[in-house]
Amino acid sequence: KQEVTQIPAALSVPEGENLVLNCSFTDSAIYNLQWFRQDPGKGLTSLLLIQSSQREQTSGRLNASLDKSSGRSTLYIAASQPGDSATYLCAPYGGSNYKLTFGKGTLLTVNP
Amino acid sequence: DTGVSQDPRHKITKRGQNVTFRCDPISEHNRLYWYRQTLGQGPEFLTYFQNEAQLEKSRLLSDRFSAERPKGSFSTLEIQRTEQGDSAMYLCASSQSREKLFFGSGTQLSVL
Repeated sequence: KQEVTQIPAALSVPEGENLVLNCSFTDSAIYNLQWFRQDPGKGLTSLLLIQSSQREQTSGRLNASLDKSSGRSTLYIAASQPGDSATYLCAPYGGSNYKLTFGKGTLLTVNP
Repeated sequence: DTGVSQDPRHKITKRGQNVTFRCDPISEHNRLYWYRQTLGQGPEFLTYFQNEAQLEKSRLLSDRFSAERPKGSFSTLEIQRTEQGDSAMYLCASSQSREKLFFGSGTQLSVL
């Protein structure tokens, strides 16, 4: 059974800081991995998808890396802004089943 | 392409009542997923469809829960004889094969 751990559980930083969110997963037989953002009481917004054959993926100020063999992914956010405040969720896709498995997320607060 | 739509956004019901939620996926997406999320937790997988076939059901899905996807288009999730423990956000997602999953805004269920 796939298990996903996200560290830290919560993070508070001043505006402008660069930061890294960590994700680890136990079953490395995945097809891809997605990072999502969730605002309070809302659905999930997909940020980045990394295919299992890729090492990293970039979108604007976001960069996600994947080390499938070690079961790790990181999300790097550059020059953080108050609007980045949200919960960030990591979800590997696949393993023995065709579905996403989520961690509990990292609650990010960016202070002005 | 209007994204994944879920209806209703909020549902308040009394314990013991039946409720039904609807999900309209992105057109031509062949996979549809249901997840449940409680406060402070990541989404948990409930079930998934490929076209009209329900291919996997989580053990979380007791016999009070039933999901359908007639003709491989929209899907419904019904909960019979609701219990307070059913209170959660119910999220629907769709994808084309193993590609990126897109989530709806969710249905927040409160069982009184």
